Amino acid sequence: DAKTTQPNSMESNEEEPVHLPCNHSTISGTDYIHWYRQLPSQGPEYVIHGLTSNVNNRMASLAIAEDRKSSTLILHRATLRDAAVYYCILRDYAGGTSYGKLTFGQGTILTVHP
Amino acid sequence: NAGVTQTPKFRILKIGQSMTLQCTQDMNHNYMYWYRQDPGMGLKLIYYSVGAGITDKGEVPNGYNVSRSTTEDFPLRLELAAPSQTSVYFCASTLRRDSNQPQHFGDGTRLSIL
Repeated sequence: DAKTTQPNSMESNEEEPVHLPCNHSTISGTDYIHWYRQLPSQGPEYVIHGLTSNVNNRMASLAIAEDRKSSTLILHRATLRDAAVYYCILRDYAGGTSYGKLTFGQGTILTVHP
Repeated sequence: NAGVTQTPKFRILKIGQSMTLQCTQDMNHNYMYWYRQDPGMGLKLIYYSVGAGITDKGEVPNGYNVSRSTTEDFPLRLELAAPSQTSVYFCASTLRRDSNQPQHFGDGTRLSIL
């Protein structure tokens, strides 16, 4: 699996936008970029994913660089409930021999201040 | 919506004891996974299953066994518990292995072996 690099931690204030970066310089053409987050004492939950174009959903936006070697997860207005560990994960579009498994790094710990 | 349900939520075992961690999903998903998460780390894959009757090893299978007799259930068995198996265990499922399908996680089983 291609490797991703994320900052260990970031901080934000409530109701401000948050930009969480992810570098994936060895991404292949068939890798999708996925983001999951893990709230304290809970299992990971899916946030968003994309291939080449920017993506929006009710939780967040995903901005993907033109060369696809980096991406940014954008939380438009952080709330206290957004405090979590955010994982950037690459997945082959067809699953391949990975059988759909997720390879987690250490992620970014997001702290949101009131 | 139940999603992925794990039981028990907490357990303390003595060294050498055995136990079964239960996981069930009600989404008719074919693919199921067991991960473990050690403190401050990302999740690591223990075993996975691509359908009833089919299982295979992940990254860290030693000391564990699984079975998949039904689509809904994917229990994880610890034989001869060791302190190194103290961890949080997460079960996950997905409909297909391709990257357009998110994985759904349970809330975890926190296991301590003393």
